[in-house]
Amino acid sequence: KAGVTQTPRYLIKTRGQQVTLSCSPISGHRSVSWYQQTPGQGLQFLFEYFSETQRNKGNFPGRFSGRQFSNSRSEMNVSTLELGDSALYLCASSFGPLAGGSNEQFFGPGTRLTVL
Amino acid sequence: GDSVTQMEGPVTLSEEAFLTINCTYTATGYPSLFWYVQYPGEGLQLLLKATKADDKGSNKGFEATYRKETTSFHLEKGSVQVSDSAVYFCALVPNTDKLIFGTGTRLQVFP
Repeated sequence: KAGVTQTPRYLIKTRGQQVTLSCSPISGHRSVSWYQQTPGQGLQFLFEYFSETQRNKGNFPGRFSGRQFSNSRSEMNVSTLELGDSALYLCASSFGPLAGGSNEQFFGPGTRLTVL
Repeated sequence: GDSVTQMEGPVTLSEEAFLTINCTYTATGYPSLFWYVQYPGEGLQLLLKATKADDKGSNKGFEATYRKETTSFHLEKGSVQVSDSAVYFCALVPNTDKLIFGTGTRLQVFP
């Protein structure tokens, strides 16, 4: 069965621009979570979507937003990019919501975003 | 708030050596605990998990026991291989239902 796919794998943008990242979960999975990975802050939870509804959100500014479609695919958008947004953005899918850790999350390879 | 603290890396070992990577946590209630591994150029993979006190998670020769009295979930392996070289992340899911990661520990195993 195909794993979690993320597109694009690499992206270069300039400050002030906006960017949209895409994540296709494993077939049958209805929960998608997004994480930001940087050398300084490590791995930080951005948000979780389940059945097209945002179920949970991390401590990120409103410039970071996301959505989930009826086929469970998810997109993440970052507006007005800042240099500090340069990071590896990871998407993870699971069959059910991240409730008490009962549903295993499967991670994609990530999208490497560089902001110049 | 909820957090995970794991030992700084890199950890450098010879093949067949014993591995311990320390992990302690702060959380209210009874969080679930995880170890994830990230091989070079790849996403994270779940290595093992434990959902209640005294549970032992194990996989591929790695083990970790959920110790509520010491709020710890140390990762161990009796005999590491070169192929175990990767970054290991301790993580927890507290009652807020967010997956919270430690900073990661890089393991380098030399033949």
